[in-house]
Amino acid sequence: AQKITQTQPGMFVQEKEAVTLDCTYDTSDPSYGLFWYKQPSSGEMIFLIYQGSYDQQNATEGRYSLNFQKARKSANLVISASQLGDSAMYFCAMREGWETSYDKVIFGPGTSLSVIP
Amino acid sequence: ETGVTQSPTHLIKTRGQQVTLRCSSQSGHNTVSWYQQALGQGPQFIFQYYREEENGRGNFPPRFSGLQFPNYSSELNVNALELDDSALYLCASSLFPSSSGGAPSTDTQYFGPGTRLTVL
Repeated sequence: AQKITQTQPGMFVQEKEAVTLDCTYDTSDPSYGLFWYKQPSSGEMIFLIYQGSYDQQNATEGRYSLNFQKARKSANLVISASQLGDSAMYFCAMREGWETSYDKVIFGPGTSLSVIP
Repeated sequence: ETGVTQSPTHLIKTRGQQVTLRCSSQSGHNTVSWYQQALGQGPQFIFQYYREEENGRGNFPPRFSGLQFPNYSSELNVNALELDDSALYLCASSLFPSSSGGAPSTDTQYFGPGTRLTVL
């Protein structure tokens, strides 16, 4: 069963505009962590932002914020004031639970974001 | 602080050959995870090494094996290469177990630049 769903294979946004990348997840574990990574064409996976399932507030990191709706099991990434350098693949990922024996992160299929000048 | 490094950058092999990929973890990290990323897909977890032992494995056959060394660096070995093994191989280092005592670790996995393997 797909644990991480990203329904937008590709997105376009005008430079300086905000964009929301969707992510829904599936877990029965009450304790989990959610991540967003950016992957430019060079291939390196760059960490952007983290949200814990028990965090009361939505995570923010500079121009990135995570719109966490726990009841809906969604963790959308919001990028404000898009820049040309934001053009890349974006992956939502999840780490599950309490007392896991190992540190496994599950990735979604990704969303390709293109920023238009 | 030294980031995660991987070698080689690119590699071309033929079916049936064996390959070894290398990863040096970020300073202060003790765990290395390996992922396979096929073209157009998200990374798939292969396995993780902690304290020089395999500490979890994804849905990959035994011909995918690894090592971790006392300095926390790691190798991924793939035997009997198949065409479908062509992919970007990413390693990620992290600090495990969780520093937050039982909750899922907030410690992020930091990735290296990857090794692009082509099997002909």
